[in-house]
Amino acid sequence: EAQVTQNPRYLITVTGKKLTVTCSQNMNHEYMSWYRQDPGLGLRQIYYSMNVEVTDKGDVPEGYKVSRKEKRNFPLILESPSPNQTSLYFCASSFRPPGQGTTNEKLFFGSGTQLSVL
Amino acid sequence: GIQVEQSPPDLILQEGANSTLRCNFSDSVNNLQWFHQNPWGQLINLFYIPSGTKQNGRLSATTVATERYSLLYISSSQTTDSGVYFCAVGSYYSGGSNYKLTFGKGTLLTVNP
Repeated sequence: EAQVTQNPRYLITVTGKKLTVTCSQNMNHEYMSWYRQDPGLGLRQIYYSMNVEVTDKGDVPEGYKVSRKEKRNFPLILESPSPNQTSLYFCASSFRPPGQGTTNEKLFFGSGTQLSVL
Repeated sequence: GIQVEQSPPDLILQEGANSTLRCNFSDSVNNLQWFHQNPWGQLINLFYIPSGTKQNGRLSATTVATERYSLLYISSSQTTDSGVYFCAVGSYYSGGSNYKLTFGKGTLLTVNP
């Protein structure tokens, strides 16, 4: 089944304890992206990747790191989590990066990771 | 950057009713998508529709790019249609050197039995 898989689904941690949220897609998608969703603020992009070894900052990159060593995986790393990073996180992917105006840019989301930083 | 406004912010329907959700955007776009976030938080892509009309079962969408709006129609609504509907639009900025997908704040739809 074609899908974007995120793990874990729920995570409770403490301030300063490094964590990684994994994201994997099995659709050979070039483009992958991370979003956070907060009440009243909607979906905001954290980082994105146009292809392997190509990553760039989104709107709210502070406090986050990513890597894209393989096409299928795009982990989100919080080196020193803080309470203001408590949020619902989504990974998304598309066959091609957005911008050319084709259906290959249709975005598919993972199931989300609810993170609480105490 | 581009502004995306969705209306109405909230909508309550009885099962079987029809509804129209609107997405207005402030600049020309070449990428527009509609998503449904169900009560369990999952985001499902409904349509990729930068222009024209598409239909998928009880749902259809129309984008009039020249007038900078898109409409999502839900007919014969069911309780499983409840959730938040987002539109996202893609546009270039910074003189055309960067591209971004911007999400609207969503429409919260509640369908009562």
